[in-house]
Amino acid sequence: DAKTTQPNSMESNEEEPVHLPCNHSTISGTDYIHWYRQLPSQGPEYVIHGLTSNVNNRMASLAIAEDRKSSTLILHRATLRDAAVYYCILKELYYGGSQGNLIFGKGTKLSVKP
Amino acid sequence: NAGVTQTPKFQVLKTGQSMTLQCAQDMNHNSMYWYRQDPGMGLRLIYYSASEGTTDKGEVPNGYNVSRLNKREFSLRLESAAPSQTSVYFCASLDRINTEAFFGQGTRLTVV
Repeated sequence: DAKTTQPNSMESNEEEPVHLPCNHSTISGTDYIHWYRQLPSQGPEYVIHGLTSNVNNRMASLAIAEDRKSSTLILHRATLRDAAVYYCILKELYYGGSQGNLIFGKGTKLSVKP
Repeated sequence: NAGVTQTPKFQVLKTGQSMTLQCAQDMNHNSMYWYRQDPGMGLRLIYYSASEGTTDKGEVPNGYNVSRLNKREFSLRLESAAPSQTSVYFCASLDRINTEAFFGQGTRLTVV
């Protein structure tokens, strides 16, 4: 499985933008970049995913480098509720079997200060 | 919509006891997963079921068995619990087409 590298922790101030980096230098052409987050004492929840182009949704934006070896999750205005562990995961286009499994690393713990 | 429902939410077992963790999803998803999460760690895949009638081992299957009872339900069984199985267990489901996975709220298991 292709690996991702994320900082162990980051801090942000409330209402400021947050840029969470992820390196994935061994990404293959069929790997999608997924982001999940896990709030304290909860199960992970989906944030966003993309393949090559930058993506936006109501929660966040995903900026993908042109060579796809890195990406950045952008929270435009951090709130206290955004304090969580953020996981960057490479996932193959689902063909069934093990190729489509989500494999989690340790993620980045984001702290948000009021 | 309930999404993914896990039962029980909390459980304390004595070493050697057995138990089954239940998971059900109401989204008609094909694939279902069991993960465990130890303190300060990411999730590790125990078993998965890519479709009804199939199950396969993940990263850490030893000490566990699973049953995909039907499309909705995927259970995880500990035949003889050990303290090393103290963890939080998460069930997840994923549709063949939609790549967003949905997770349950977790079962916090303590083996003493």
